[in-house]
Amino acid sequence: SQKIEQNSEALNIQEGKTATLTCNYTNYSPAYLQWYRQDPGRGPVFLLLIRENEKEKRKERLKVTFDTTLKQSLFHITASQPADSATYLCASQDGGFKTIFGAGTRLFVKA
Amino acid sequence: GAVVSQHPSRVICKSGTSVKIECRSLDFQATTMFWYRQFPKKSLMLMATSNEGSKATYEQGVEKDKFLINHASLTLSTLTVTSAHPEDSSFYICSARDSSAGENSPLHFGNGTRLTVT
Repeated sequence: SQKIEQNSEALNIQEGKTATLTCNYTNYSPAYLQWYRQDPGRGPVFLLLIRENEKEKRKERLKVTFDTTLKQSLFHITASQPADSATYLCASQDGGFKTIFGAGTRLFVKA
Repeated sequence: GAVVSQHPSRVICKSGTSVKIECRSLDFQATTMFWYRQFPKKSLMLMATSNEGSKATYEQGVEKDKFLINHASLTLSTLTVTSAHPEDSSFYICSARDSSAGENSPLHFGNGTRLTVT
């Protein structure tokens, strides 16, 4: 079955460093991948979408890459801040209308 | 930006009663809305796809008679948890896709409903 996996359950980094989160997909070839941010007790908020024919996408301090050979997307936050602490979810559609999500990576940025 | 309003944000009910959760798209129309359930420190589990004007499509293992979904208009979907039991306690989140934005457009989420069944 189609899967999206985020192997790191949690990631701790120091303020100012770059956080890198990984998303791997198996058993299908998504046309695009999305990244969302979720704060505790809140719904996810959309951050970025990258299509399979795009190698890289940027938005302010965020950068997403899409490697169809490795079947992987990397999500980077540069110059990280404590306010970036949250859970980040990777998602894609399963070929139909449904969006499937990875388990998420909880990022903790220490001041 | 597109806003999805979900109410209530928290509800406590007694075992055996029913609870209705509303999900509204405030500034866009949504032919399709999605209902998710989330367990602590776990990802979103899709329960059902709500289709305006027709029956909802439920995921495998989700009881349609237990979780009643109604999508009566292009801006409103409701989830009713019937005869709630303590094991139904969870965080329920709805999402919607702007019908005019295409199938690949991102989902817009409500802020979730924390249901506690005592």
